[in-house]
Amino acid sequence: DIVMTQSPDSLAVSLGERATINCRSSQSLLYGSNNKNYLAWYQQKPGQPPELLIYWASTRESGVPDRFSGSGSGTDFTLTISSLQAEDVAIYYCQQDYSTPRTFGQGTKVEIK
Amino acid sequence: VQLVESGGGLVQPGGSLRLSCSASGFTFNSYAMHWVRQAPGKGLDYVSAITNNGQSADYADSVKGRFTISRDNSKNTLYLEMSSLRGEDTAVYYCVKSISPGYTSGWYDYWGQGTRVTVSS
Repeated sequence: DIVMTQSPDSLAVSLGERATINCRSSQSLLYGSNNKNYLAWYQQKPGQPPELLIYWASTRESGVPDRFSGSGSGTDFTLTISSLQAEDVAIYYCQQDYSTPRTFGQGTKVEIK
Repeated sequence: VQLVESGGGLVQPGGSLRLSCSASGFTFNSYAMHWVRQAPGKGLDYVSAITNNGQSADYADSVKGRFTISRDNSKNTLYLEMSSLRGEDTAVYYCVKSISPGYTSGWYDYWGQGTRVTVSS
């Protein structure tokens, strides 16, 4: 199974400041035939199911604010919230959708400082 | 798109339970469907997946031989039959739609609200 490791486990950021979450996979998620990285990011707010933010490592899902961005390739990826808003308080998960079983990172809790 | 799970509840260790997920708002028979669970205060764990036509399924090692996923495309409904339940199966179970017909790759674009399963004596 592909192991996904996120860092940090939690972070506190002031409103309007940048939040950065890292995700590393135990093997490359780059699919050679289409040059896409099969890495997705999800946001889970308290008491709610997760919601898709980003797929193919850097493509925002429709309706996701442009303050959310994803980057990286191969085994190292980053989710950036450029200007943290109060409604962004949540746990963020990366997930590899390269192979089954799908595996998730352990989650990163983002709070307001 | 709506995914509505049902069937959760309290069950004794060794017992059985059948979860259902009623889907609407999309062409159900075009997409693979998955079950993902979340133990209390923990992260997300893949449980099982089934192809769009129901002909192939996959399971996490932790549930293999105990859980069975199935679907009825005529009823737009996904199922998860759970048997020999253990305490570590206690979790919220989410019905999840994949963006592809197969289960080997593809992200999840819609999640249900989840149904809670508690395994305890």
